[in-house]
Amino acid sequence: DIQMTQSPSSVSASVGDRVTITCRASQGISSWLAWYQQKPGKAPKLLIYAASSLQSGVPSRFSGSGSGTDFTLTISSLQPEDFATYYCQQANSFPPWTFGQGTKVEIK
Amino acid sequence: EVQLVESGGGLVQPGGSLRLSCAASGFTVSSNYMSWVRQAPGKGLEWVSVIYSGGSTYYADSVKGRFTISRHNSKNTLYLQMNSLRAEDTAVYYCARANKRWLQLDYWGQGTLVTVSS
Repeated sequence: DIQMTQSPSSVSASVGDRVTITCRASQGISSWLAWYQQKPGKAPKLLIYAASSLQSGVPSRFSGSGSGTDFTLTISSLQPEDFATYYCQQANSFPPWTFGQGTKVEIK
Repeated sequence: EVQLVESGGGLVQPGGSLRLSCAASGFTVSSNYMSWVRQAPGKGLEWVSVIYSGGSTYYADSVKGRFTISRHNSKNTLYLQMNSLRAEDTAVYYCARANKRWLQLDYWGQGTLVTVSS
């Protein structure tokens, strides 16, 4: 099975900061990667799919990049509503699909 | 408007069974890929199962042989039959639609809590 490793596990940042989260796959997954945001007590929300495509309705300060084994989620200017936990997920065509362990973005 | 509403969670003893339901509206379950994802208290997301539009099913190793994903086409509803439940199955269970092109989980339900405890 493909393992997904996110780093860091948590990050403290201020409003307006640029935040970068990385996700590494244990084997190549082309662009079969999605990013989700989850707030406490809520279902996850899709942000990015196909590694770099922005989901409809998601602010443009969110962006994704990478292919193969190394991927990045960037928040260009952190907003108060962005404090949450972020997960990557590989959706290689043949399951099982797997999530990273999550990155918590906290207020500095 | 796309909506997914889970139900069926609750308290069950170890070794027991439970069936979760996910009622969909705004799209056709049988024409889409549908998945279950769970989250243990205070933990991260864990993919559980998927059923493809053609009927193929896949499971995480942690639930293989104990859980069964299915759908009822006329009710437009997804199910997860959970047998031989263990304490480590305690989690919020989410159903989600997987986009057929890139397999991202684009719509999620609100989740239903399953607690396995004596």
